Amino acid sequence: EVQLVESGGDLVRPGGSLRLSCAASGFSFTYHAMSWVRQAPGKGLEWVSGITAGGGGTFYADSVKGRFTISRDNSRNTLYLLMDSLRAEDTAIYYCVKGASWLIIPFDSWGQGTLVTVSS
Amino acid sequence: DIQMTQSPSSLSASVGDRVTITCRASQNIATYVSWYQQKPGKAPNLLISAASSLQSGVPSRISGGGSGTDFTLTISSLHPEDFATYFCQETYSVPYTFGQGTKLEIK
Repeated sequence: EVQLVESGGDLVRPGGSLRLSCAASGFSFTYHAMSWVRQAPGKGLEWVSGITAGGGGTFYADSVKGRFTISRDNSRNTLYLLMDSLRAEDTAIYYCVKGASWLIIPFDSWGQGTLVTVSS
Repeated sequence: DIQMTQSPSSLSASVGDRVTITCRASQNIATYVSWYQQKPGKAPNLLISAASSLQSGVPSRISGGGSGTDFTLTISSLHPEDFATYFCQETYSVPYTFGQGTKLEIK
C-alpha cells in the first residue's frame, strides 16, 4: 500500500523559513516523479513544485519560484520542500503527491497533508 | 499558463440523479485532463486521467469525456458517498492548473 507521510508544518513568521518532509513507502520511490500541491483554507488546489524521479529536473509555480526548493533523497525514500521568505499567502495545507510514473502527472496518490501557517 | 474554468461551482442533487460537471481549458490540451474527488478533511483522490481513463477502484457510474478545450465528468446515478468536491486539472504543461472546484451537495 502506498503511504506518503508529510511532516514539518508549523506556525512561522513572515519572512521565515521551513522545511517540509515526506516519507514514502509501498512503492518504488526511485522510479516516480513527485510533487507538492497546496490548498489554502477553504480554497482550491495549487500545484507548487515537482521533481523528476532521478532528481535532475525540478519545476516550480511562478508564485514560489526563487523562494522554494524541492529535493529528494532516493536512498531514504524522502521528498523535501525548503520554503524561504515565507508570506501570509503561503498559508495552506501542503500535500506530498506521487506521480503515476516517471512523469510528474497525474497525481495518483496523496499524503494526508501538513499545515503551514505564516503569521506574525 | 493554461486556465481551467470549471462549472458549476456548486450543485445540489438527489441520490439517483445524473449530474455533469464541466471544465473548459483556455487552449487546446487534447485529452490532458485529470479529475479528482475531495471529501471534507481529506486529501483529493484521483478518479480519471487522460480525460476518460477510470482509475482502478473507481465505480463505473463515474465517467469522463471530452477533448480539445471542453471536458466533462459525469456521475450516472448519484450514491451517498459521491457528495464531495470535484476538481479538474490540466496535465498538459506546468503549472498543471486546477479548476476552481465543484461542490456537490445533497438536495
